[in-house]
Amino acid sequence: ETGVTQSPTHLIKTRGQQVTLRCSSQSGHNTVSWYQQALGQGPQFIFQYYREEENGRGNFPPRFSGLQFPNYSSELNVNALELDDSALYLCASSPADRPLFPEQYFGPGTRLTVT
Amino acid sequence: SQQGEEDPQALSIQEGENATMNCSYKTSINNLQWYRQNSGRGLVHLILIRSNEREKHSGRLRVTLDTSKKSSSLLITASRAADTASYFCATNSGAGSYQLTFGKGTKLSVIP
Repeated sequence: ETGVTQSPTHLIKTRGQQVTLRCSSQSGHNTVSWYQQALGQGPQFIFQYYREEENGRGNFPPRFSGLQFPNYSSELNVNALELDDSALYLCASSPADRPLFPEQYFGPGTRLTVT
Repeated sequence: SQQGEEDPQALSIQEGENATMNCSYKTSINNLQWYRQNSGRGLVHLILIRSNEREKHSGRLRVTLDTSKKSSSLLITASRAADTASYFCATNSGAGSYQLTFGKGTKLSVIP
């Protein structure tokens, strides 16, 4: 167990709807990243937040957005859902004040199905 | 986009045998990490090797890195049924970011 939790575990949405996924970082970690993992693929980086500011973004459209809160919990919001958004969404936290130890601690993921 | 490729895509071995997985990547890196994923759930960090290191050990794991060939290998010795999982290499370019770029993974099956 990494101490990173995500909710919900599973979610089914209809194309065009909006969804919010939540993540609670490991205690003391002030950096959170979100990844999308399609079936049979490796995770792809969506974006990263450090102290409530976006600190890097992958090749994802603006309808993917995020928030990080003062208690270091975070949200991933996806608008106008498309069928290809069906995937496992993973959040990962890191202690940014330990740059020599950049490994990330992943949560169990949220399985999103878009129909 | 995926940084590189793991090879093989799938590997099946008997318990007690060694398992070797290879990873290739495309751009310069600060470090390379290996993760394990059980049944499509969260990833677990296994080992990290920095760009100025050539080999690293952790328990039954041995990782090598060849930056001239942009490749890495993960060796799991004396495999166990519990090692059955997907294994991913992930590269980090540093520069103040924790962004990881993953390969497609190797699915390892260890037969009891």
